[in-house]
Amino acid sequence: NAGVTQTPKFQVLKTGQSMTLQCAQDMNHEYMSWYRQDPGMGLRLIHYSVGAGITDQGEVPNGYNVSRSTTEDFPLRLLSAAPSQTSVYFCASSYNEGGPYEQYFGPGTRLTVT
Amino acid sequence: AQSVTQLGSHVSVSEGALVLLRCNYSSSVPPYLFWYVQYPNQGLQLLLKYTSAATLVKGINGFEAEFKKSETSFHLTKPSAHMSDAAEYFCAVTPQGGKLIFGQGTELSVKP
Repeated sequence: NAGVTQTPKFQVLKTGQSMTLQCAQDMNHEYMSWYRQDPGMGLRLIHYSVGAGITDQGEVPNGYNVSRSTTEDFPLRLLSAAPSQTSVYFCASSYNEGGPYEQYFGPGTRLTVT
Repeated sequence: AQSVTQLGSHVSVSEGALVLLRCNYSSSVPPYLFWYVQYPNQGLQLLLKYTSAATLVKGINGFEAEFKKSETSFHLTKPSAHMSDAAEYFCAVTPQGGKLIFGQGTELSVKP
């Protein structure tokens, strides 16, 4: 199994540009989530999904959109990038029912917005 | 609402010394608690988790944590630090499977 994969590893955007961060998992996990990591703030939940077609907002959803059309994929869209979105982004997945289950994290995408 | 506080953003120990990383939680329901480790430029990896089966939880790489309800704590310890333990450590809480709430993280440095 590849586990959780994320692309790209690095990205530089100009203010106002849009892009999609890709996340995929091959473990048939129902639950998937996106976090951003900023120094001194730990990881903060952006959006999450408990299954295909179901998404919900986390702690810091503004400026980000998600959709979940398949169990495997959970892309994160930045519609109009801002310097405040410079961060490291992690995707994670786990089983959902019962638990608690370990969340498996991808290697991260380092995003810089200039 | 649930929350996690990690005391000390940076901890430095000598190789062979005791490692103690502190985590306190706030929860209105019995919590599930986790410790994750992040090595430089990598994702997070689970060290151990508390699921109410036992208050002393053993994890990977010689780490363990003790759940103390009276102190609302879940401190992480290792008897003898190795250079390879240098990393950032995160405590996290969840009311159920899925949504994790993380602490701010503690960076552990190990001096030779």
